[in-house]
Amino acid sequence: GQNIDQPTEMTATEGAIVQINCTYQTSGFNGLFWYQQHAGEAPTFLSYNVLDGLEEKGRFSSFLSRSKGYSYLLLKELQMKDSASYLCAVRGDNYGQNFVFGPGTRLSVLP
Amino acid sequence: DAGVIQSPRHEVTEMGQEVTLRCKPISGHNSLFWYRQTMMRGLELLIYFNNNVPIDDSGMPEDRFSAKMPNASFSTLKIQPSEPRDSAVYFCASSLVLVAGGYSNQPQHFGDGTRLSIL
Repeated sequence: GQNIDQPTEMTATEGAIVQINCTYQTSGFNGLFWYQQHAGEAPTFLSYNVLDGLEEKGRFSSFLSRSKGYSYLLLKELQMKDSASYLCAVRGDNYGQNFVFGPGTRLSVLP
Repeated sequence: DAGVIQSPRHEVTEMGQEVTLRCKPISGHNSLFWYRQTMMRGLELLIYFNNNVPIDDSGMPEDRFSAKMPNASFSTLKIQPSEPRDSAVYFCASSLVLVAGGYSNQPQHFGDGTRLSIL
């Protein structure tokens, strides 16, 4: 079976740091992706992890522990425009083509 | 570069009518995905194609839904007859799978979606 969990909502202050967690249990694993989705818009790709450790991309970083089935997305120096939903997605088996998306975490950044 | 193009952006129709959603993937991508997104169920994969061939349609809700990909640059998702519970945002996404069975860091690129309302 496939199961991905994320917190439903989070709130943080402009300029702060926030960590969004994702836990997964899937029948296969070929990588974990984070997407950002602003209200009324399409999801856009943020980051990719397939090996354990931290991947850094500007203000955003993503961490993966395959043994724990755990990932997090770290957003630094929060800006108002970071208010969005953040979706964790696991690429499973079947030649690694299909994704299973988590329910998403709605982040509100307050002034 | 053009991204994934979906049409129409919005569709409002009465229950029982046929609905056809269209998608043009990014040129050169060999995989295409149809998703449905609702507040209650989140983003759900309906079906995906690889090299124009349907690989997994287990997410298609029922026989009222069908999808085709007649060539590498076009796909349709059809609902017939439509019902109010089909109201959702339908996204099409495409990606390039570089190595079958191997790791690939190629993400899926999403179109802007079709907001479907069945009255």
